[in-house]
Amino acid sequence: NAGVMQNPRHLVRRRGQEARLRCSPMKGHSHVYWYRQLPEEGLKFMVYLQKENIIDESGMPKERFSAEFPKEGPSILRIQQVVRGDSAAYFCASSPPTKTQYFGPGTRLLVL
Amino acid sequence: GESVGLHLPTLSVQEGDNSIINCAYSNSASDYFIWYKQESGKGPQFIIDIRSNMDKRQGQRVTVLLNKTVKHLSLQIAATQPGDSAVYFCAENAISGNTGKLIFGQGTTLQVKP
Repeated sequence: NAGVMQNPRHLVRRRGQEARLRCSPMKGHSHVYWYRQLPEEGLKFMVYLQKENIIDESGMPKERFSAEFPKEGPSILRIQQVVRGDSAAYFCASSPPTKTQYFGPGTRLLVL
Repeated sequence: GESVGLHLPTLSVQEGDNSIINCAYSNSASDYFIWYKQESGKGPQFIIDIRSNMDKRQGQRVTVLLNKTVKHLSLQIAATQPGDSAVYFCAENAISGNTGKLIFGQGTTLQVKP
């Protein structure tokens, strides 16, 4: 049973470009979560999605960031017009309803 | 406000000794707590969890203790091994609110000396 998959594992973007991060949940998991981790810090919640629905986006920056979890395909975290402060590790987790969240290996975003 | 914090940023132990990692939380509504282990360059790995209706739960070589009175959580690792070296995070969640949102502490680095 494959775990949570994320790609790319590393992503380099120049300021002003767009970053797209993908997450495929574990088989049978209908809930997806995105977290951001800055160096030497804990993970910060960004958004919680179910298929075709955003349940909680209280941790998402108001501008440039968006997330989706379509009926078919992976969840996408999209960052438009990236800035250097967006450089971080972005982790996706998945779970069945009200169960433990299991994390993927993360995408390390570097903005030059 | 909501916060989950850890008392010590780094813990150094001798191989074979027991390790205790502590965590304090402040959200009274939290009813589910998890410990994760994160190795360098990897995602957090689930270790053990506990719900608020329990005060102790044991796994393989690990025990989690929950003291709701003082809002304190601890992770005990028996016979610590070099492979246990990592950053350990506690996280809390209010499952009853169905938010799905985990609040993480800053992390404690565990260093195991051979």
